[in-house]
Amino acid sequence: DTAVSQTPKYLVTQMGNDKSIKCEQNLGHDTMYWYKQDSKKFLKIMFSYNNKELIINETVPNRFSPKSPDKAHLNLHINSLELGDSAVYFCASSLHRGLSSYEQYFGPGTRLTVT
Amino acid sequence: RKEVEQDPGPFNVPEGATVAFNCTYSNSASQSFFWYRQDCRKEPKLLMSVYSSGNEDGRFTAQLNRASQYISLLIRDSKLSDSATYLCVVPPKGGYNKLIFGAGTRLAVHP
Repeated sequence: DTAVSQTPKYLVTQMGNDKSIKCEQNLGHDTMYWYKQDSKKFLKIMFSYNNKELIINETVPNRFSPKSPDKAHLNLHINSLELGDSAVYFCASSLHRGLSSYEQYFGPGTRLTVT
Repeated sequence: RKEVEQDPGPFNVPEGATVAFNCTYSNSASQSFFWYRQDCRKEPKLLMSVYSSGNEDGRFTAQLNRASQYISLLIRDSKLSDSATYLCVVPPKGGYNKLIFGAGTRLAVHP
């Protein structure tokens, strides 16, 4: 049983296109995240939602727009894709309560390549 | 100074060896620390949490030195399956949910 799932696993697209990545978790968590891991392997948080409410919004171009229809789903839409957007995007989830929020469960990642 | 710094490695060790990684952090107010493990082309997974001076789980021991602001991860009796990148994670004080990841230390265990 997959705990945190993401689709698609691979995404190859051209500059200027718009694409979406979807994430779902069946762990009963109330908080979900989007992370970006670039070619240098740095893993950086982009957004976090708690019960459909945006709680973390790091310095990310506004071409990136997250949406959480419910606490088990978090999507990421990217407009006007650029070469620098090529990276692996990880979804994660956790409980919101205190120290439990640090114990995050990650999805398998979406490897985005912009050509 | 970066918020979290790690020796990138790689550490190449034979099976059965003991290996230790250090991670330094800049925020002296940080209270909780974590080690995550990431296999090649896979997602990060929580390995250990450190809330006080240290934690031990089988062959893995994490220790915290608050005075010098570093945490260490010791792996005893290394196995081939321990080959991975080990990510040091330090949340900002009071910043629940937000994790700051180090760049990771790569470990390669060979026969």
